[in-house]
Amino acid sequence: GESVGLHLPTLSVQEGDNSIINCAYSNSASDYFIWYKQESGKGPQFIIDIRSNMDKRQGQRVTVLLNKTVKHLSLQIAATQPGDSAVYFCAENILPYPLGGGADGLTFGKGTHLIIQP
Amino acid sequence: DSGVTQTPKHLITATGQRVTLRCSPRSGDLSVYWYQQSLDQGLQFLIQYYNGEERAKGNILERFSAQQFPDLHSELNLSSLELGDSALYFCASSATPKDGKLFFGSGTQLSVL
Repeated sequence: GESVGLHLPTLSVQEGDNSIINCAYSNSASDYFIWYKQESGKGPQFIIDIRSNMDKRQGQRVTVLLNKTVKHLSLQIAATQPGDSAVYFCAENILPYPLGGGADGLTFGKGTHLIIQP
Repeated sequence: DSGVTQTPKHLITATGQRVTLRCSPRSGDLSVYWYQQSLDQGLQFLIQYYNGEERAKGNILERFSAQQFPDLHSELNLSSLELGDSALYFCASSATPKDGKLFFGSGTQLSVL
């Protein structure tokens, strides 16, 4: 199976609520993780990244949490808006340094479709 | 707008044919990546170029090839096309190969009939 996967293929939330999208990874040596958002008809768009020496990183309305003990990554979106409707991908870098550490060899999960209910 | 331009947006062709997909990276970006997206396989990394040189290879078939030209634009050539090659092909660019923040184009939808 693939090393990066998602717990739920579809997540439906009410507008204004917080969303949590989960991702599991299998390689404990992975040291770099990224979340991308893909809206219908568009290419993936970078949201936020985190390195394995961090547990949490915050952006604008988004927070990524990394739990290395259970090899779990999550993306939290605060006050979900209609424009947040998209497919969200987590990506993992599994190449060892010096080959990895960036975009080299990123492995993407299949994605979670976030649906915003009015 | 990511700044990455892909042409054509749609391509319909027949089995056995050969097609070329074109990508212009964001201004100043030296690294170009090609990805294939299908419903069953998700987003699969194909190949990466950095400043004209091949840097990394993923799940790219031997029937597929790519190159990055001196002006940094890239082309992905797909030959002896099969029905299973129908997919969305994305190009992405980044400033350096270590930069995980990729900028993706809008993709080329390839349909092999």
